[in-house]
Amino acid sequence: DGGITQSPKYLFRKEGQNVTLSCEQNLNHDAMYWYRQDPGQGLRLIYYSQIVNDFQKGDIAEGYSVSREKKESFPLTVTSAQKNPTAFYLCASSRPGTPGNQPQHFGDGTRLSIL
Amino acid sequence: GQQLNQSPQSMFIQEGEDVSMNCTSSSIFNTWLWYKQDPGEGPVLLIALYKAGELTSNGRLTAQFGITRKDSFLNISASIPSDVGIYFCAGRANQAGTALIFGKGTTLSVSS
Repeated sequence: DGGITQSPKYLFRKEGQNVTLSCEQNLNHDAMYWYRQDPGQGLRLIYYSQIVNDFQKGDIAEGYSVSREKKESFPLTVTSAQKNPTAFYLCASSRPGTPGNQPQHFGDGTRLSIL
Repeated sequence: GQQLNQSPQSMFIQEGEDVSMNCTSSSIFNTWLWYKQDPGEGPVLLIALYKAGELTSNGRLTAQFGITRKDSFLNISASIPSDVGIYFCAGRANQAGTALIFGKGTTLSVSS
């Protein structure tokens, strides 16, 4: 079945450590997105990519980095510069076409915690 | 920046009751989306709206794109226990390439 796969489901980070969250999609979607979700909050956009080898900062990009070397993959690295990384991270993708009209489909998320 | 106000923040209802929730934006949107999120999972798209005044149903769910293009509502009729979860509205402003903005969610609890 086509879909978006995020791994791992749970991730623990030590202070000062970088960690990378994986997101893979087999939907042939051009655009991919990373969101952060905190309790009682909506989803906040970290980074997005509308095409391979191109990505844009979202509202809360500081302390995060991404790459888009393949259409299917959009990994997110949470760096040591992100001082409050504990959150639920969601990856999404959307179809080709007018960016303004395409809904996003989400993976099942990665929960990151600090040890 | 753009903001989405979603209300109510939470609802506690009896099984069989109807539910209504809404979102308003500070600017004109060209897309409204409604998602449901179960605990520990990603949001699932329920309904997508693309035209002002559009009214779309998905089973017991009905959503409308407000004619002012600054609001949208979601109704759930005859609620059942599996409707429990967090419902998010999301919208995109009338600009190509603009990312989605999400409301803070409505948490729905249904007692049987």
